[in-house]
Amino acid sequence: NAGVMQNPRHLVRRRGQEARLRCSPMKGHSHVYWYRQLPEEGLKFMVYLQKENIIDESGMPKERFSAEFPKEGPSILRIQQVVRGDSAAYFCASSPPTGTHSPLHFGNGTRLTVT
Amino acid sequence: AQKITQTQPGMFVQEKEAVTLDCTYDTSDPSYGLFWYKQPSSGEMIFLIYQGSYDQQNATEGRYSLNFQKARKSANLVISASQLGDSAMYFCAMRESLSGYSTLTFGKGTMLLVSP
Repeated sequence: NAGVMQNPRHLVRRRGQEARLRCSPMKGHSHVYWYRQLPEEGLKFMVYLQKENIIDESGMPKERFSAEFPKEGPSILRIQQVVRGDSAAYFCASSPPTGTHSPLHFGNGTRLTVT
Repeated sequence: AQKITQTQPGMFVQEKEAVTLDCTYDTSDPSYGLFWYKQPSSGEMIFLIYQGSYDQQNATEGRYSLNFQKARKSANLVISASQLGDSAMYFCAMRESLSGYSTLTFGKGTMLLVSP
């Protein structure tokens, strides 16, 4: 039973390039969450998606960041024109469509380095 | 106000001893869930234990137990018989349902170091 799959594991981009981070949720999970972790900090919520819908994007920066979860295929977190401050670990998590009782299952993260 | 507060940036414990990692939370939602995650140096996030707000008994999972004091809004993680492999960051987190859906809010974490 595969867990949450994130790729790539490491991503290096030069300032101004685009970064695309992919996440395939656990089988049977229709809810996807993206979190960002800066060095030596906790995880900060970015966006919550269901298939073809963005439910909550209150944690997403207003510019350059976007996320999607299409009907077919993985969820994508896209960062345009990356800057050094975007360097962080980006975690995707998934859960079944239940309320407060289910843990989120996390992928291994994508470590983005902007040079 | 912080929803999840972990006041211990770092904790040290000797192998085979027990250790308590503190967590307090803030919510007005009567229905919520509390979670602990472990993040070893390799970086992955590992779910450890869950406590529901209506659960009468403290949650236990092997060497992990959750000391849930609802009136004090605390949900401390107790690790019994510490092992060297327990050295990691530990995050307390909460899910609420006020908005009709729920995301997970994390504390800043506690770094635990287990010495031989």
